[in-house]
Amino acid sequence: DTAVSQTPKYLVTQMGNDKSIKCEQNLGHDTMYWYKQDSKKFLKIMFSYNNKELIINETVPNRFSPKSPDKAHLNLHINSLELGDSAVYFCASSPRRQQAGELFFGEGSRLTVL
Amino acid sequence: DAKTTQPNSMESNEEEPVHLPCNHSTISGTDYIHWYRQLPSQGPEYVIHGLTSNVNNRMASLAIAEDRKSSTLILHRATLRDAAVYYCRPDKLIFGTGTRLQVFP
Repeated sequence: DTAVSQTPKYLVTQMGNDKSIKCEQNLGHDTMYWYKQDSKKFLKIMFSYNNKELIINETVPNRFSPKSPDKAHLNLHINSLELGDSAVYFCASSPRRQQAGELFFGEGSRLTVL
Repeated sequence: DAKTTQPNSMESNEEEPVHLPCNHSTISGTDYIHWYRQLPSQGPEYVIHGLTSNVNNRMASLAIAEDRKSSTLILHRATLRDAAVYYCRPDKLIFGTGTRLQVFP
């Protein structure tokens, strides 16, 4: 009965490949996010969607393409993977766009690019 | 965000109070200050938030400076299960650098 679920949890792939990470939330929230956590544990916002509309794109390379088929899902597709893309990617959701609301995070997807 | 800074690590003994500071000198007047913690191999989880006044909940207390440029998360009696990385979030989207808390028996 996970509130924010991501798949896969682990992903190991070669440079140059294309991969996707899926995220689903069953909390009825309007806003979803993708964060990247690097090896130093810094959490950096990548994208935010509100009701399927992209509202934030934080200078992420265009090899990264988020897609939101409905407000409960936000998937992340990455083309031409590079070594520097290795990180843990977290999906999150919140009940209101850019308000004081709490963020609910998934358990993360660890991407390793070889 | 370079202007939201936290100490890299802190240590505590079990059952002692822990004060985790965060400096957020460029916080806007309307942004809430949130704190999250991340246990190993898990996503961050919400701990507490506030705007101007100090706040208490069952997990922790939050002390906010009068000018709102810093805040302190207070764990009143640390337990081994409190060992985690603690993040402040003084912006709607941006997290601080995180403090790794070690708790010793």
